[in-house]
Amino acid sequence: DQQVKQNSPSLSVQEGRISILNCDYTNSMFDYFLWYKKYPAEGPTFLISISSIKDKNEDGRFTVFLNKSAKHLSLHIVPSQPGDSAVYFCAASLTKTGANNLFFGTGTRLTVIP
Amino acid sequence: KAGVTQTPRYLIKTRGQQVTLSCSPISGHRSVSWYQQTPGQGLQFLFEYFSETQRNKGNFPGRFSGRQFSNSRSEMNVSTLELGDSALYLCASSFGDRGETQYFGPGTRLLVL
Repeated sequence: DQQVKQNSPSLSVQEGRISILNCDYTNSMFDYFLWYKKYPAEGPTFLISISSIKDKNEDGRFTVFLNKSAKHLSLHIVPSQPGDSAVYFCAASLTKTGANNLFFGTGTRLTVIP
Repeated sequence: KAGVTQTPRYLIKTRGQQVTLSCSPISGHRSVSWYQQTPGQGLQFLFEYFSETQRNKGNFPGRFSGRQFSNSRSEMNVSTLELGDSALYLCASSFGDRGETQYFGPGTRLLVL
């Protein structure tokens, strides 16, 4: 049972425009959310995270939005650059339970067209 | 600071064999988690170790096991390999055990023939 879902397997965006990657989750107990970026043959690289007590976190060109009532988070990349082309995974965790494992979505492949 | 390192990077085994993969976490990190990535299932949690104790285990058969040493380095072992075990095995480390951000190694690509 996939508790974290990324319903768009791929997304293409023109360089300079905004990329919006979406993620939905089913478990309302998740309290910490992360986005990872992955290039082929490499491990995921941490991008940005957000605690459930916030609804927005910004780091440079990357902003993550959390809508707890809709159980939805999104990653905005502005402006998009060709180097952003990669697979993006969202992940969630249950920090209050003491468990340290991440639940991952299936990923969205972003292609930024020069 | 050096990142998470995993050895070997690539491995080819045949069905029925066993394999041991190694992970060295970021210096100072005490938690190590293992994940399996396959095209069909995405990233699936295998198990997590903290201070040499397995704290959490994912939904994998007993053929998958692991351990952590006093220096926080970790190994995972898969016995009686099956074709479906072909995957990228990723190790991630974090400082503590309360859901801090995990940092991933490059992975070990295992091919079972």
